[in-house]
Amino acid sequence: AQSVSQHNHHVILSEAASLELGCNYSYGGTVNLFWYVQYPGQHLQLLLKYFSGDPLVKGIKGFEAEFIKSKFSFNLRKPSVQWSDTAEYFCAVNASDSWGKLQFGAGTQVVVTP
Amino acid sequence: DGGITQSPKYLFRKEGQNVTLSCEQNLNHDAMYWYRQDPGQGLRLIYYSQIVNDFQKGDIAEGYSVSREKKESFPLTVTSAQKNPTAFYLCASSKEINTEAFFGQGTRLTVV
Repeated sequence: AQSVSQHNHHVILSEAASLELGCNYSYGGTVNLFWYVQYPGQHLQLLLKYFSGDPLVKGIKGFEAEFIKSKFSFNLRKPSVQWSDTAEYFCAVNASDSWGKLQFGAGTQVVVTP
Repeated sequence: DGGITQSPKYLFRKEGQNVTLSCEQNLNHDAMYWYRQDPGQGLRLIYYSQIVNDFQKGDIAEGYSVSREKKESFPLTVTSAQKNPTAFYLCASSKEINTEAFFGQGTRLTVV
């Protein structure tokens, strides 16, 4: 079955630590990939997206993600987190065999401690 | 302001009643979506619409219905057939069917 998997449900880390969140998908064909963030009490916002080209994409707030086609992965990274990065992060996939059916992973709750 | 408006923010209904959640966008987007967000389950797709007068079932369409009579509007009806309707509902839109989606603030529905 087609799916989007996020490996970690909860991550707790200290300020200045590095963050990496895993995302794998099982769709074939061409994929458009997204990472969204939901800060407490706020609506979902787009962090970054990948459609084609350079597999290393940079987004807002110092986040980046790398698309590795052979591994069906799109992991999110940030070299040094801040307390304000505390939020829930969602990976999402839109695949050519079902364009329009934007599918999300279960999310990763990230807590950054001062 | 351009964006997606969901109303109301909180909604309470008695069990057995149908309820309609509103979603309006003024972004001139073709595609619109409805998701349900439950703790630990992420966003699950209920219905999506690629264009006016067309919509497709998502993964959890049972007990829900939608219409897309106007480009800017995509209302969701939670029917009495939905077994666990209490949830946070998110509406989104995208310019095209494969581009990034923009989300509304959500409606929290509680059925008692």
